[in-house]
Amino acid sequence: QQQVKQSPQSLIVQKGGISIINCAYENTAFDYFPWYQQFPGKGPALLIAIRPDVSEKKEGRFTISFNKSAKQFSLHIMDSQPGDSATYFCAASPPNFGNEKLTFGTGTRLTIIP
Amino acid sequence: DGGITQSPKYLFRKEGQNVTLSCEQNLNHDAMYWYRQDPGQGLRLIYYSQIVNDFQKGDIAEGYSVSREKKESFPLTVTSAQKNPTAFYLCASSMLAGVVQYFGPGTRLTVT
Repeated sequence: QQQVKQSPQSLIVQKGGISIINCAYENTAFDYFPWYQQFPGKGPALLIAIRPDVSEKKEGRFTISFNKSAKQFSLHIMDSQPGDSATYFCAASPPNFGNEKLTFGTGTRLTIIP
Repeated sequence: DGGITQSPKYLFRKEGQNVTLSCEQNLNHDAMYWYRQDPGQGLRLIYYSQIVNDFQKGDIAEGYSVSREKKESFPLTVTSAQKNPTAFYLCASSMLAGVVQYFGPGTRLTVT
C-alpha cells in the first residue's frame, strides 16, 4: 500500500519559533505534495502545495522544502503564532489524479505556546 | 456562497441502525470523496466518485455505501455491518482534472 509517513505526531513550539513537520513517501510516481491545516471540529483546508520540479516553495510564513532524492518533504512555519495551533496533514498524489487519490499522512498536532 | 455542506454536524445512533450522512456541494466539482478520520490515523478514503452514477471503493469501504444521483450530492450510508462506525466523517470535492480537494466541515457520528 502506498504510504506517506509523517512525524512528529505532536509538536509544541514557543511563539515566534520555527515549527518543522516532516513527511516521507515511498512511491516515486507521486508528483503533487500538498499540506492541509485542520482546526478542531473543522474540515482540513489546503495550506500550501509543491511539485517535485522545485526544491522549495514559500507562501508567507509557510515554506515547503522538498528533497526528491531522499523522498522527503517538510513544512516549516516561521515566526509561529498561537493561531497556527492546529493539526497539519501532509499528502501525496500521483499523476493522472482523476484515476487515483490523495494519500494522507497521519497528522501532526501543533501547539504554539506563548 | 460556494462550498461544501455536511449535515448534521453531530449524529447519534444506536448500534444496528443504518444512518445516512449528507454532503452537498455547489462548486460545480465533478469528483466527490468521503473520508473517515480517527485519532492518530489521519484521513482514510471510504468511497469516491468522479462522475454521476459512478463511484469507486476506497481503502476502507466495507460497511459503507454511497450513491451519486446528482452532481452536487454524494450521501454516505453507514450500515450496521460497519464494526466501528463512531468517527469523524469528512466529505470533499475537486475538479475532475484537479488535485486540490476542498473539504466540508465534517459530521461527527457516535454509535452506542
